[in-house]
Amino acid sequence: SAVISQKPSRDICQRGTSLTIQCQVDSQVTMMFWYRQQPGQSLTLIATANQGSEATYESGFVIDKFPISRPNLTFSTLTVSNMSPEDSSIYLCSVAFLGSEQYFGPGTRLTVT
Amino acid sequence: GQQVMQIPQYQHVQEGEDFTTYCNSSTTLSNIQWYKQRPGGHPVFLIQLVKSGEVKKQKRLTFQFGEAKKNSSLHITATQTTDVGTYFCAGPEYGGSQGNLIFGKGTKLSVKP
Repeated sequence: SAVISQKPSRDICQRGTSLTIQCQVDSQVTMMFWYRQQPGQSLTLIATANQGSEATYESGFVIDKFPISRPNLTFSTLTVSNMSPEDSSIYLCSVAFLGSEQYFGPGTRLTVT
Repeated sequence: GQQVMQIPQYQHVQEGEDFTTYCNSSTTLSNIQWYKQRPGGHPVFLIQLVKSGEVKKQKRLTFQFGEAKKNSSLHITATQTTDVGTYFCAGPEYGGSQGNLIFGKGTKLSVKP
């Protein structure tokens, strides 16, 4: 497994602004992912963060809205751009090693007013 | 598109009663994974099943993978208040990037002491 930290743990932002969420892992990992989870709902994959190249986005998510960086094997950021109240959610990063099971960070609870 | 369905959506039990959640995939899966998310927490990996008909046990939890590798179940014997949370099943996304998972909507378990 891995120890994963996310910053910030929560934030309240005004519409039209952007927020960058950081995900730090205590060991080098093969894959890193970003998810969104509405309260009481399931997890929706936003994108796979690829080290040294552009992220791979799922249908319905675009780079202009959710730019992602992954400069090395232990760190990634997700930016939520030009936020609206519909972006209020919990954002989770997860990591995977060689097996396909994933380990999740504690999440970032975002409220957009 | 590929779907992973879970039933029931909610389950309320008296402490000591058994609990079962069922997971069905629209496609054959190479593996199925189960996660538990406590209230206010993040998903935590429980187990991965790979073989057709596989059964694995973790103390009071029994996990099964169907013969056709399209369905799975999680059974908890004699529930305790510590079992409270939402249980998600997840399978690899067919044709997706390596490591991508499709999550079911989850079964939320509440336990009355």
